[in-house]
Amino acid sequence: AQTVTQSQPEMSVQEAETVTLSCTYDTSESDYYLFWYKQPPSRQMILVIRQEAYKQQNATENRFSVNFQKAAKSFSLKISDSQLGDAAMYFCAYRRNYGGSQGNLIFGKGTKLSVKP
Amino acid sequence: KAGVTQTPRYLIKTRGQQVTLSCSPISGHRSVSWYQQTPGQGLQFLFEYFSETQRNKGNFPGRFSGRQFSNSRSEMNVSTLELGDSALYLCASSDRSMGWAYEQYFGPGTRLTVT
Repeated sequence: AQTVTQSQPEMSVQEAETVTLSCTYDTSESDYYLFWYKQPPSRQMILVIRQEAYKQQNATENRFSVNFQKAAKSFSLKISDSQLGDAAMYFCAYRRNYGGSQGNLIFGKGTKLSVKP
Repeated sequence: KAGVTQTPRYLIKTRGQQVTLSCSPISGHRSVSWYQQTPGQGLQFLFEYFSETQRNKGNFPGRFSGRQFSNSRSEMNVSTLELGDSALYLCASSDRSMGWAYEQYFGPGTRLTVT
């Protein structure tokens, strides 16, 4: 069974600085997607960034980028120029791309990010 | 387009009762997934419906059930409620026609408290 581990329950960053959130996963599959979701306090969960396992190039979305190390099964999220609005729970998630369970996201326990002004 | 909507947003029930939660996906989305979020267990997949058929089911007891209607709206039902069912229940919709790159859009959730 696939598992996703986020080893940092809480992180803190100063506004305008850079922070990296860690995520490791375990799978024997080769075809999958990895995601980072953001859940602000009392607000809806939104997708931050996604990475397809077959793509070597790391995904980037504005201030958000990932470091995808497939062999090491590592998928970290880097937030540059942190803003107060980045404060939220961040979840790393895995989804296989074949078979009957492709709709099933497997989430890590999350990392609570605080941004200090 | 309007986002995913879930009703009710908050619910308080007593042990032993049953509850029905509703989810309306984004217009055009035919896939709806349900997740349970608790502080202890985190986010766990309940089930997924696509074109009125359950396509996938998580590891939850049979007290948890769901269905999807022809307009893609989905309901989930929990019978014989237990204290441990207190959670935020999230619904997510997606457009499978996008192929493997489809994204799941989450609703605001229904906060269920069982007393």
